[in-house]
Amino acid sequence: AQTVTQSQPEMSVQEAETVTLSCTYDTSESDYYLFWYKQPPSRQMILVIRQEAYKQQNATENRFSVNFQKAAKSFSLKISDSQLGDAAMYFCAYRSADNFNKFYFGSGTKLNVKP
Amino acid sequence: NAGVTQTPKFRVLKTGQSMTLLCAQDMNHEYMYWYRQDPGMGLRLIHYSVGEGTTAKGEVPDGYNVSRLKKQNFLLGLESAAPSQTSVYFCASMEARYGYTFGSGTRLTVV
Repeated sequence: AQTVTQSQPEMSVQEAETVTLSCTYDTSESDYYLFWYKQPPSRQMILVIRQEAYKQQNATENRFSVNFQKAAKSFSLKISDSQLGDAAMYFCAYRSADNFNKFYFGSGTKLNVKP
Repeated sequence: NAGVTQTPKFRVLKTGQSMTLLCAQDMNHEYMYWYRQDPGMGLRLIHYSVGEGTTAKGEVPDGYNVSRLKKQNFLLGLESAAPSQTSVYFCASMEARYGYTFGSGTRLTVV
């Protein structure tokens, strides 16, 4: 079965600095999707960025980018120019390309942003 | 465009009571899901639906039932609530090539 591991329960970053959140996953599938979700104190789950496994180019969304290492099964999220509004829980997630109901979440990383 | 709407947002139940959580989406998505979120455990899939009139069990289905009579609605029922069902419940819908769109969650406390 697929598993998603986030080894950093909590991290802190200074405002305007850069932080990287780690995620590893285990799968025997060759085609899949990877996601990072943000959950602020409001509890809403917000999609931050998405990566398709067959694409070698790392996804980027404004200040958010990923480092996708398929062979190493690693999918880290880099947040540049951190802002106070980035403080939240961040969840890494894996979804099979063939079975839309195989959607697995990591346990989350709490990001604190210091002013 | 409301996206995914969950009602209620908060609820306190006594052990043994029943209730239904409603999830409504206006994006015409075929796939809908119910998750529960517990501290340190991420999200775990309870039940899901791949279309109107269909439902299937997820990772932790015991103690829950679901129905999808209309494409836009996905209901989660607790027939006899237990303290172990205290959690935050999320509904999500999905378009095939993309990720989930989540509702804002329901915090349920069973005393």
